[in-house]
Amino acid sequence: GEDVEQSLFLSVREGDSSVINCTYTDSSSTYLYWYKQEPGAGLQLLTYIFSNMDMKQDQRLTVLLNKKDKHLSLRIADTQTGDSAIYFCAGGGKLIFGQGTELSVKP
Amino acid sequence: DTEVTQTPKHLVMGMTNKKSLKCEQHMGHRAMYWYKQKAKKPPELMFVYSYEKLSINESVPSRFSPECPNSSLLNLHLHALQPEDSALYLCASSQEGYRGTEAFFGQGTRLTVV
Repeated sequence: GEDVEQSLFLSVREGDSSVINCTYTDSSSTYLYWYKQEPGAGLQLLTYIFSNMDMKQDQRLTVLLNKKDKHLSLRIADTQTGDSAIYFCAGGGKLIFGQGTELSVKP
Repeated sequence: DTEVTQTPKHLVMGMTNKKSLKCEQHMGHRAMYWYKQKAKKPPELMFVYSYEKLSINESVPSRFSPECPNSSLLNLHLHALQPEDSALYLCASSQEGYRGTEAFFGQGTRLTVV
């Protein structure tokens, strides 16, 4: 079946870059997504990449897609304390979510 | 308007109660979804409606009953729930199926079953 995997935790210092990685099995999704969830809140669509693209940049966010390896990454430049949250990658025909990466940003 | 609105935001219900969760979108999306999310876990798909017809039911217990009265509204009727059903219930919509377009989520209804 469809599966999406992420590492569970990432800790960085304020001002550093953060890179969150994701691997997936279902390559049929036209889009692959990154969602952000702050404590007690719903899901915020951060960015997405069309499956025929290798890279997408949106202000501080850079998404890289390696279709051959089925690997997706999200880079956050100049990470701020307000970026602390859980980040989910998602994709596939039924929009399956990874386990989420908890990003902790230390001042 | 890129909003998916869910009501209520919080709900506490007893195991013998009947309640409903509501979801509304005015983006002209034809696919709507219910997800269940436990704390610090990823959302899990429950139901998908496509063009107002139920297209996916992920083996959800019958105490959860979805309804799509029109293309803008999605309800989730709850009856005889268990404490383990306490979770954040998220609604999402997309233009058609996930394969083609962005999916937008509401802020969720935090349900507590006592």
